[in-house]
Amino acid sequence: EVQLLESGGGLVQPGGSLRLSCAVSGFTFSSYAMTWVRQAPGKGLEWVATISGNGGRTYNADSVTGRFIISRDNSKNTLNLQMNSLRAEDTAVYYCSKGGYGDYRIDFWGQGTLVIVSS
Amino acid sequence: DIQMTQSPSSLSASVGDRVTITCRASQGISDYLAWYQQKPGKVPKLLIYAASTLQSGVPSRFRGSGSGTVFTLTISSLQPEDVATYYCQRYNRAPFTFGPGTKVDI
Repeated sequence: EVQLLESGGGLVQPGGSLRLSCAVSGFTFSSYAMTWVRQAPGKGLEWVATISGNGGRTYNADSVTGRFIISRDNSKNTLNLQMNSLRAEDTAVYYCSKGGYGDYRIDFWGQGTLVIVSS
Repeated sequence: DIQMTQSPSSLSASVGDRVTITCRASQGISDYLAWYQQKPGKVPKLLIYAASTLQSGVPSRFRGSGSGTVFTLTISSLQPEDVATYYCQRYNRAPFTFGPGTKVDI
């Protein structure tokens, strides 16, 4: 059974940093791209960042480029999102998600972790 | 960047109705299009990928079609449990943009 368990969310002041993690199980982690998607309160889904299975390729949304870094540790089955220079507009539920086999569709989502950026 | 739009933004229909949602890409994306369902307060769920391939376990009343720039999600007979917001997403290349969503009510 595929399981994605996010952690690291919370309240942070504007300009601060936060590191989200996602512990995965139930599939061969290194074989799949992984993606972070966020959803601001009452809003739609926003793609944030994707990393290939071996970690060699990363992709970021323009809204987070230069501030967020996606990474993975295939030896620990863990996906990370380092978030720096946080802004109020980064407030959202952040979902860890698993790619499809050989492509970047999302076929499984974690339960999400809430990040609130506020003073 | 390629923009994704959806229409309508919301709709209300009756149980048993046929419902169609359209997703448009500003440039061709072949068939690299997925549809997701997000029920109120729940995590999104993959319904369809490769524009028309039904994800395992998804009821057959959901059907996807299209290629290039215009795609449709059709629910052949709307059920009460289909109340949700539906999103399309391109995944041919980054940015893997989502559409703005279509809210379906009964």
